[in-house]
Amino acid sequence: NAGVTQTPKFQVLKTGQSMTLQCAQDMNHEYMSWYRQDPGMGLRLIHYSVGAGITDQGEVPNGYNVSRSTTEDFPLRLLSAAPSQTSVYFCASSPRGFDTDTQYFGPGTRLTVL
Amino acid sequence: ILNVEQSPQSLHVQEGDSTNFTCSFPSSNFYALHWYRWETAKSPEALFVMTLNGDEKKKGRISATLNTKEGYSYLYIKGSQPEDSATYLCAFDPGTYKYIFGTGTRLKVLA
Repeated sequence: NAGVTQTPKFQVLKTGQSMTLQCAQDMNHEYMSWYRQDPGMGLRLIHYSVGAGITDQGEVPNGYNVSRSTTEDFPLRLLSAAPSQTSVYFCASSPRGFDTDTQYFGPGTRLTVL
Repeated sequence: ILNVEQSPQSLHVQEGDSTNFTCSFPSSNFYALHWYRWETAKSPEALFVMTLNGDEKKKGRISATLNTKEGYSYLYIKGSQPEDSATYLCAFDPGTYKYIFGTGTRLKVLA
């Protein structure tokens, strides 16, 4: 199993550009999530999904969109990038997202917005 | 807004020392508490899941305890080794699918 994969590993954008961060898992997990990690702050939840077709907002959803058309994929879209979105983004998955399920994290995408 | 705090933010210990750090979380709406180990340039990896009826968890030299009434969990490392150097994260699960992470404790074990 590849686990949780993310592409790209690094990305530089100009303010106002849009892009999609890809996330995929091959463990048949129902729960998937996106976090951003900024210096001095914990991982903050952007959006999450509890199954195909079901998504919801986390703590910091503004400026980001998600969709979940398949169990495997959970892309994160930046509609109009801003310097405040410079961060490291982690995707994670877990079997159901509650009880004793732990999350499996992808390798992260480092995004810089100029 | 639910808050999860970890202390200390960082610490340096000598090889062979035992150490412990704290995760404080809201004492209400507790479903579970997760501990993760995060090495530099890698992704967080799960250590323990602490549940309401759970006992102390142990994995090798690392163990964790939980007090849900007062809202804290301790992570202990016995006989620290350089390979234990990492950031240790805790994540509070309030049962809403919205995990809340602490900022982590960065541990450096000096040989």
